[in-house]
Amino acid sequence: AQSVSQHNHHVILSEAASLELGCNYSYGGTVNLFWYVQYPGQHLQLLLKYFSGDPLVKGIKGFEAEFIKSKFSFNLRKPSVQWSDTAEYFCAVKSNTGKLIFGQGTTLQVKP
Amino acid sequence: GAGVSQSPSNKVTEKGKDVELRCDPISGHTALYWYRQSLGQGLEFLIYFQGNSAPDKSGLPSDRFSAERTGGSVSTLTIQRTQQEDSAVYLCASRTSGSNEQYFGPGTRLTVT
Repeated sequence: AQSVSQHNHHVILSEAASLELGCNYSYGGTVNLFWYVQYPGQHLQLLLKYFSGDPLVKGIKGFEAEFIKSKFSFNLRKPSVQWSDTAEYFCAVKSNTGKLIFGQGTTLQVKP
Repeated sequence: GAGVSQSPSNKVTEKGKDVELRCDPISGHTALYWYRQSLGQGLEFLIYFQGNSAPDKSGLPSDRFSAERTGGSVSTLTIQRTQQEDSAVYLCASRTSGSNEQYFGPGTRLTVT
């Protein structure tokens, strides 16, 4: 069965610290991978996506993610987090029927 | 342009009552999805409409849940005889044909008392 696993459920960092959120997926077909972010009180927004090509993708607000096929991973990174990055982050894979399969989410708390 | 809109934003209902949740997708988007976000379950797929094709209902948790999409635009998710475990945020997303990117609405927070 297709699934997405996010290893970190709750991450607490100080401002300027580096961030890496893990995401592993289980899917045998062509992968379309996404990271979505949900800021407090706001709706889900697309952070970045990978469909094909360069496995290192850059998204909004300085985020990037690397697709490593051999590891079935799509980890999210940011070199220096800000207080405004406090949010919940979701990794997702698109199934062959078009629906998104989400991980359980990671809550990031950035301390000023 | 306008994004995906959902109404109501909040709904409190008594156990056993029926509720209807509405989604207005982005104009021109042919695909429409419903998801549910609840504590302990994360984000779960419920149902997917694509053009005039039969919907993918594989994510609906029980026969109390149903959805329709009229005229290829607005969609209504109906929950009959609501139970407390139905309490969640119900999210709608839409996508244009040929794109893999789904745009999400603000959700409807349903509380069943």
